[in-house]
Amino acid sequence: KQEVTQIPAALSVPEGENLVLNCSFTDSAIYNLQWFRQDPGKGLTSLLLIQSSQREQTSGRLNASLDKSSGRSTLYIAASQPGDSATYLCAVRPQGGSEKLVFGKGTKLTVNP
Amino acid sequence: GAVVSQHPSRVICKSGTSVKIECRSLDFQATTMFWYRQFPKKSLMLMATSNEGSKATYEQGVEKDKFLINHASLTLSTLTVTSAHPEDSSFYICSAGTYRGFGDYGYTFGSGTRLTVV
Repeated sequence: KQEVTQIPAALSVPEGENLVLNCSFTDSAIYNLQWFRQDPGKGLTSLLLIQSSQREQTSGRLNASLDKSSGRSTLYIAASQPGDSATYLCAVRPQGGSEKLVFGKGTKLTVNP
Repeated sequence: GAVVSQHPSRVICKSGTSVKIECRSLDFQATTMFWYRQFPKKSLMLMATSNEGSKATYEQGVEKDKFLINHASLTLSTLTVTSAHPEDSSFYICSAGTYRGFGDYGYTFGSGTRLTVV
């Protein structure tokens, strides 16, 4: 059974700092991995999607990497801003034909002005 | 971009009553609708997957007679919590899945519904 773990559970940083969020998964047989952002009491917004054949994806100040063989992904946020404060969720889509996603518990990020 | 409208955003109901949550894909047709439940500091838990015109597939441990899912069209899916009890209080989120060409499959999430059963 695929399990996704995110470390740390919470992170508080001063504005301007670069930071890394970690995600690990137990079964490397994945179709892709996605990073989402969730604001309090809201739905999820997709940030980056990495296909299993890819090593990284970038969007603005965000960079996500994938090491499928070791079951790890990182989300790098450069020059953090208070507006980046949210919960970041990692999800994998396991191979096998289903479109179901398996989520981690998330990392709650607070960027202090 | 793709938008899923989820209503209501918040609902408070009395124990024993039923509550219906609605998700509409506004500018695209959702092949599949995924329904999740989220507890504080926990992962999103997939409850069921529904395809238009067919019965929903429920995950292990989810009571299908309690959580009724209807996917009558490619743009509308509903989740009805029947005979709600305080332990059903949670945050429910829908996610519409669709193929977007070149084999790319995308997910668009609703904004969630906070259910409180008193």
